Amino acid sequence: GQNIDQPTEMTATEGAIVQINCTYQTSGFNGLFWYQQHAGEAPTFLSYNVLDGLEEKGRFSSFLSRSKGYSYLLLKELQMKDSASYLCAVRDSNYQLIWGAGTKLIIKP
Amino acid sequence: SQTIHQWPATLVQPVGSPLSLECTVEGTSNPNLYWYRQAAGRGLQLLFYSVGIGQISSEVPQNLSASRPQDRQFILSSKKLLLSDSGFYLCAWSTQQGSGANVLTFGAGSRLTVL
Repeated sequence: GQNIDQPTEMTATEGAIVQINCTYQTSGFNGLFWYQQHAGEAPTFLSYNVLDGLEEKGRFSSFLSRSKGYSYLLLKELQMKDSASYLCAVRDSNYQLIWGAGTKLIIKP
Repeated sequence: SQTIHQWPATLVQPVGSPLSLECTVEGTSNPNLYWYRQAAGRGLQLLFYSVGIGQISSEVPQNLSASRPQDRQFILSSKKLLLSDSGFYLCAWSTQQGSGANVLTFGAGSRLTVL
C-alpha cells in the first residue's frame, strides 16, 4: 500500500528553527509537496520538490532524498503565525496525490 | 489572477437530508477540479476529480456524487446524508496535467455537521 508518515505534533519556541520530517512509500514518484494549513482554513501551497536537494524560499526550506523516500520542511526564525498544520503529499506514478495526516506545529513564546 | 469560491462555509444538516456544495473557479479555463474530505487526524481523502465538463472520476464509493455542469463549476451532492458524512470538504483546482508542479489551490472549505 501507499503510505506517508509524519509526526503528529511538534512544539517549538518563537525565533527558533524546527524541522518537520516526512517519509513515504508510494507507487512511483512524481514530486513531493508541502502545504500549510491554519486551523479551520484551507491548505496553502508552500513548496514542491521533484529532484534531490534543498529548495529554499525565504524562511522555509524543503529537502528531498528520493533514494531514501524522505523529505523535511525546515522553518527558520519561527513566528507565532507559523502555528499551523503542515501537510506532506506525494504524487505517485498515476499522478494521484497521496497525503500525510499532517504535523501540528505549536509555537510557544 | 485565479480565484476559487466554495460555499456554504458551514452547514448543519439532519440525517437523511440532501446536500449540495458548490465550487466555482475564476480566471482560468479547462481546470482540473477536485473534491476532498478532511477528517481529524487523517490525510486528505480524494472524493472526486474532473478533467472536463461532464467527466467525473469517483475515488471512493459512497452516497456522495459530483457534477460539473460548466467548465469552472463543480458541485458535490448527496440525496440522503449519513452521520459519517460529517467533515471538512475542500474543493480544489489545478492546471491540466503536464510538466511542472500542477499545484493544487484550495477553496476556503465547507464544514458539514450531520446530526
